[in-house]
Amino acid sequence: QVQVVQSGAEVKKPGASVKLSCKTSGYTFTAYYMQWVRQAPGQGLEWMGIINPTDGNTWYAQKFQGRVTMTRDTSTTTVYMELSSLRSEDTAVYYCARGKLVVTLSSAFDIWGPGTMVTVSS
Amino acid sequence: DIQMTQSPSSLSASVGDTVTITCRASQGISNYLAWYQQKPGKVPKLLIYGASTLQSGVPSRFSGSGSGTDFTLTISSLQPEDVASYYCQKYNSVPWTFGQGTKVEIK
Repeated sequence: QVQVVQSGAEVKKPGASVKLSCKTSGYTFTAYYMQWVRQAPGQGLEWMGIINPTDGNTWYAQKFQGRVTMTRDTSTTTVYMELSSLRSEDTAVYYCARGKLVVTLSSAFDIWGPGTMVTVSS
Repeated sequence: DIQMTQSPSSLSASVGDTVTITCRASQGISNYLAWYQQKPGKVPKLLIYGASTLQSGVPSRFSGSGSGTDFTLTISSLQPEDVASYYCQKYNSVPWTFGQGTKVEIK
């Protein structure tokens, strides 16, 4: 059974950093890319970036370049997303989602985590 | 970057109606397009990938078409459980941009 479990809600002050986790199980961790997507309250989906769990290669949205870091730990089959210099506009639900196709960067995403709420407030 | 423009932003239709949502890419993306459904308070769900391939378990009243720059999601007989927001996403090249979404309601 494929499972994707995300870490719990976070409350951060402006300027701080947050590191979210996405723990996977039930499939070959290194075979599928993982994307991160966020959704601000009442807003649409926003793509943040993608990581290749095999070699750790990443591709980030221009908007987040310099502020986001995606990593993975193959021993625990977990991917991480760290966002720094937080501001109120970063308040959102953050989702990780697994690529549908094996070892394929250009793929839709069929398995989504439940999301992690991050609130940035002074 | 390639922009994805969805229309309409919202619609209201009756049960049994055929509903069409369009997604336009600012440059050609071949068939590297997915459609997702997100019900209120829920996680997005993959409906269609490769522009027209139905994801396993998705009702056959959902269909997708298009290639290049113009794409369509059709719900052939709208059901109450289809109330949701629908998003297109391109995935031919970075960034994997989403459309702004279409909110579907029952009249």
